[in-house]
Amino acid sequence: GENVEQHPSTLSVQEGDSAVIKCTYSDSASNYFPWYKQELGKRPQLIIDIRSNVGEKKDQRIAVTLNKTAKHFSLHITETQPEDSAVYFCAASKAGRRALTFGSGTRLQVQP
Amino acid sequence: DAGITQSPRYKITETGRQVTLMCHQTWSHSYMFWYRQDLGHGLRLIYYSAAADITDKGEVPDGYVVSRSKTENFPLTLESATRSQTSVYFCASSGTVSNTGELFFGEGSRLTVL
Repeated sequence: GENVEQHPSTLSVQEGDSAVIKCTYSDSASNYFPWYKQELGKRPQLIIDIRSNVGEKKDQRIAVTLNKTAKHFSLHITETQPEDSAVYFCAASKAGRRALTFGSGTRLQVQP
Repeated sequence: DAGITQSPRYKITETGRQVTLMCHQTWSHSYMFWYRQDLGHGLRLIYYSAAADITDKGEVPDGYVVSRSKTENFPLTLESATRSQTSVYFCASSGTVSNTGELFFGEGSRLTVL
């Protein structure tokens, strides 16, 4: 089955700096790559997603890039703020399969 | 609009006991899922369901049983709880109309097996 690896497991940045989280996937048939944010004690929530027919997608301060050849995708957060502190999960799924395979998570801490 | 709700939110039980975690959604979403969250492992899929009376195993199904007699409910049963099943369990649902693939998670059920 699909395997998704995520790095780093923890990331600490200064407020205003950029943060990058990277994921690789194993199944070349995967075509949907969402990112979820989970604040402490809360449920995971979708923040951005990308499909395999697109190389990059932006939404204000966050962006996701996809390299299908290398089978990796990344989350970029610019101008980080303390409220960006959370655990971020990447995930992947393939056509016809709604279930997501998640990475192990990255704990992002933004220092004020 | 209740969305998706889980109960109980917290449960302590003993090894060998049967435990059922409930999940209810009000959106009439076709898909429902059970994930467990453990430190270092992210979210791992236990079981999922594409519609009423259709269920399928995920990555870590051993020791768990599910049923889906109604679209809105997807209970997860641990038939004989073990300490390794101590975890936070998240139920999620996903619709088919918008086809975005987004999963909507419940608030989670924290289970401790002593």
